[in-house]
Amino acid sequence: DAGVIQSPRHEVTEMGQEVTLRCKPISGHDYLFWYRQTMMRGLELLIYFNNNVPIDDSGMPEDRFSAKMPNASFSTLKIQPSEPRDSAVYFCASSLQPGQGTPYEQYFGPGTRLTVT
Amino acid sequence: QKEVEQDPGPLSVPEGAIVSLNCTYSNSAFQYFMWYRQYSRKGPELLMYTYSSGNKEDGRFTAQVDKSSKYISLFIRDSQPSDSATYLCAMGAGGTSYGKLTFGQGTILTVHP
Repeated sequence: DAGVIQSPRHEVTEMGQEVTLRCKPISGHDYLFWYRQTMMRGLELLIYFNNNVPIDDSGMPEDRFSAKMPNASFSTLKIQPSEPRDSAVYFCASSLQPGQGTPYEQYFGPGTRLTVT
Repeated sequence: QKEVEQDPGPLSVPEGAIVSLNCTYSNSAFQYFMWYRQYSRKGPELLMYTYSSGNKEDGRFTAQVDKSSKYISLFIRDSQPSDSATYLCAMGAGGTSYGKLTFGQGTILTVHP
C-alpha cells in the first residue's frame, strides 16, 4: 500500500486566499484525522471522520476552516480566507476500526507545509 | 492547562546513554497510551502502545504507565544516533470517543556519536 497520500506537499499563498489540502487515506481504513502541527502548539487534532461522517470537529479553530469527506478514499481541508497564523504543517492520518490491528494506531501522511504570507 | 503535558526539551545525549522521556496528564478517562516517533519532515509513526497501567518492553524501548500518578514514561536503552527524532506521547479514552488521540507537544531528542 502507498500509505496516506497528501497533496500538495508545500503550499505558499497570500493572506486572504483560499487554500485546499487533500488527503487519500489507506484503503480499508475507516477513520480519517486532520491535524495541525506548529512549534508553539504541537500536534493538534482539528477534526476526525468515521466512515465518512464527521465525529468531532471541536478542534477546528474557527469558521474559516472546513473539512469534507465525500467518499472513503478522499478528504479535503479548506481554509477560506487564509491568514498568516494558519502557517503550519497539516497532517492527515487514517486508522482501522476497533478490534482491527493495534488500537489507536494512526498512519500519518507526509504532511502539507503551508505558508501564508 | 493542557490535558497532556510534555517537556519539549530539546534533549541531547551521547550514544549509548539511557534516555527517559515523560508525560503527565489530567484526564482520568485515558486508558490507551502510546508513544509516536517523528523524524524530521516526516509524519509521526507509532512506536509503543500500552493499555492501562504497567510496563511494556520492545527491544531497547520500554514504556511505563502509572495511572495512579497520571504519568507515563518511555525509556530508550543504548541510544543510537538513529534514535534522534521527536517523541510524542499520545492518549485515548476509548468508548464513544474511540479513535481520538490527544498528543503531548513532543520532546526533541538528539543522540550524538
